[in-house]
Amino acid sequence: GDSVTQMEGPVTLSEEAFLTINCTYTATGYPSLFWYVQYPGEGLQLLLKATKADDKGSNKGFEATYRKETTSFHLEKGSVQVSDSAVYFCALLKNAGGTSYGKLTFGQGTILTVHP
Amino acid sequence: NAGVTQTPKFQVLKTGQSMTLQCAQDMNHEYMSWYRQDPGMGLRLIHYSVGAGITDQGEVPNGYNVSRSTTEDFPLRLLSAAPSQTSVYFCASSYQRYMPIGNEQFFGPGTRLTVL
Repeated sequence: GDSVTQMEGPVTLSEEAFLTINCTYTATGYPSLFWYVQYPGEGLQLLLKATKADDKGSNKGFEATYRKETTSFHLEKGSVQVSDSAVYFCALLKNAGGTSYGKLTFGQGTILTVHP
Repeated sequence: NAGVTQTPKFQVLKTGQSMTLQCAQDMNHEYMSWYRQDPGMGLRLIHYSVGAGITDQGEVPNGYNVSRSTTEDFPLRLLSAAPSQTSVYFCASSYQRYMPIGNEQFFGPGTRLTVL
C-alpha cells in the first residue's frame, strides 16, 4: 500500500539556520504531495503542495520539489524563525477515481524546535 | 466562517463508556473525514463521508461508528471505549466529493481523548 516516510525527529535548530526535513513516499500511480504544519494546540494547516513531477510548492519561505525519480518531497527553508516551531507532516493523496479519493496518507511527523 | 469545529476539546472516559465526538463545518463541504493522531504514527484515517447519507471505512475503523445525516455534521461515536483509543482525534473536510488533484483538506482543532 501507499506509505510516507519522514526523517526521524525531533529537529532542533538555532534561529536563521537552514532547515531540511526529508520525506520519501511509496505509491502506485501519480499522487499529489503535501506538507502540513501543526502549531502547538492547533489542527493541521496546509503549508504547500505539488501535484505533478518536478512541481515546486512554496509558501512562507518553505519550499519542496516533487521528485518522481527519487520518490521524494523534501521540505526546505533557508532561514528558520522561532515562530516556525511546530510539527511538520508530509502526506500524499492518490489521484481522484476509484475508491481512493480523499484518503490522505501521512508520514509520522517531525517536531521542529527553533531556539533564539 | 467558523471553518471546521470540534467538541469537546478534552475528554476523559472510563473503559466501556460510550461517547460521541462532534464535528461541524460551515463551508458546505461534501467530503468529511475523521483521523486519529498517535505519537510516531502520523494521522490515520478512521472513517470518511463523501456526502450526506454516504459513509465508508478508512484504515482503522474498528470500535468507531459514524453517520452523516446533514452536510454540516459528521459525528464520531465510540461504542465501548478502550485504552487503545486514547488519542487525539481530528476532523477534516474538503469542498468536493471527488477530490481532484491537489485538493486541500481543512482540519479542526482536535479532541484529546483519554480512556482509563
